[in-house]
Amino acid sequence: DAGVTQSPTHLIKTRGQQVTLRCSPKSGHDTVSWYQQALGQGPQFIFQYYEEEERQRGNFPDRFSGHQFPNYSSELNVNALLLGDSALYLCASSLWRDNQPQHFGDGTRLSIL
Amino acid sequence: DAKTTQPNSMESNEEEPVHLPCNHSTISGTDYIHWYRQLPSQGPEYVIHGLTSNVNNRMASLAIAEDRKSSTLILHRATLRDAAVYYCILRDVFDDYKLSFGAGTTVTVRA
Repeated sequence: DAGVTQSPTHLIKTRGQQVTLRCSPKSGHDTVSWYQQALGQGPQFIFQYYEEEERQRGNFPDRFSGHQFPNYSSELNVNALLLGDSALYLCASSLWRDNQPQHFGDGTRLSIL
Repeated sequence: DAKTTQPNSMESNEEEPVHLPCNHSTISGTDYIHWYRQLPSQGPEYVIHGLTSNVNNRMASLAIAEDRKSSTLILHRATLRDAAVYYCILRDVFDDYKLSFGAGTTVTVRA
């Protein structure tokens, strides 16, 4: 049973560019959440998708957008990249409105030059 | 978001128990207490969660104070693989499905 998978594992971009990160949820899960983790800090919630709609959003600008597909996989898009966007981006999957654990992937390390 | 307070770091010897405290004095009646850990170069991993009663699973035990204003995660016999950052998180069961991570406690295990 595959867990949460994210691609790519590492990515280098320059300021002003755009990036797309991908996530496949754990089998049987229908909800995907995205988190940003800066070096030495805890993950910060970006947004959550269920039924192809954004259901909850953290304190991130609208340069951060997402999408969920009918097969429950998800993408995170970041436009007009800034140096401060350098971080580990984590995807987590779960069941909607269920207090059971979220399952995390190992993340995509994004470096902005 | 309800807040939690944890020590920055703790050290333990291998095969000894580890008690990780967490204070959450503003906890509400519908907040579950969740614990996750993050090993180096990995995403966070679920450890345990509870509401009012103490909980046990294969990884750890969770002891919750009677007034629910604090809790303790107990690793019964620490191994080198338990070296990680441990996060104590409150999550409202009705309307908050995100996880609000703080800085966590960095646990070091000495061989």
